[in-house]
Amino acid sequence: ETGVTQTPRHLVMGMTNKKSLKCEQHLGHNAMYWYKQSAKKPLELMFVYNFKEQTENNSVPSRFSPECPNSSHLFLHLHTLQPEDSALYLCASSQEGLAGNEQFFGPGTRLTVL
Amino acid sequence: AQSVSQHNHHVILSEAASLELGCNYSYGGTVNLFWYVQYPGQHLQLLLKYFSGDPLVKGIKGFEAEFIKSKFSFNLRKPSVQWSDTAEYFCASYSGAGSYQLTFGKGTKLSVIP
Repeated sequence: ETGVTQTPRHLVMGMTNKKSLKCEQHLGHNAMYWYKQSAKKPLELMFVYNFKEQTENNSVPSRFSPECPNSSHLFLHLHTLQPEDSALYLCASSQEGLAGNEQFFGPGTRLTVL
Repeated sequence: AQSVSQHNHHVILSEAASLELGCNYSYGGTVNLFWYVQYPGQHLQLLLKYFSGDPLVKGIKGFEAEFIKSKFSFNLRKPSVQWSDTAEYFCASYSGAGSYQLTFGKGTKLSVIP
């Protein structure tokens, strides 16, 4: 595998379910990100991990819980979501200080909350 | 807070027409600027970036962009579009050195008619 991979690619869940999204980067980067992409809205940064430490949390509801066990893996744990949380969730990675800190994106997980 | 504005929501062009997509950012200090493209069903990928040096930046697939600091602009151009350029285009900016907050515009959907 190369680049940034995400699983699952599609997820349908009820509001009472608990599920997790997984992201893995194979680029040797030291920063990873979760974004939310909704229709007709800009990409919203949710969380940033730099050297495995969470450095930014853009006021995301507590029903979203990130976990970064090492610099290659990032999880987003989901529980008691709302229908308005349905969106494409994107993971990205970057290497601090390298070429303008370009971010490399995964294909995303299309989440539908019923 | 940093903001990024893309002026056009949807642009429709015929093949061989010239393209210019507008992007303005608000941060007055040092910025790193990016254009990403999202082809139908594919993940976000980098077209080009500016973080220092020549303000005229050339990217992949014949795209270029010009950083004009006095106008807070980073417009994307291509002299002759192809049907395969049909995609959504996103302008993005970091604000300042060490920032992990990549702010995206709302995106411009480009449809190229054969």
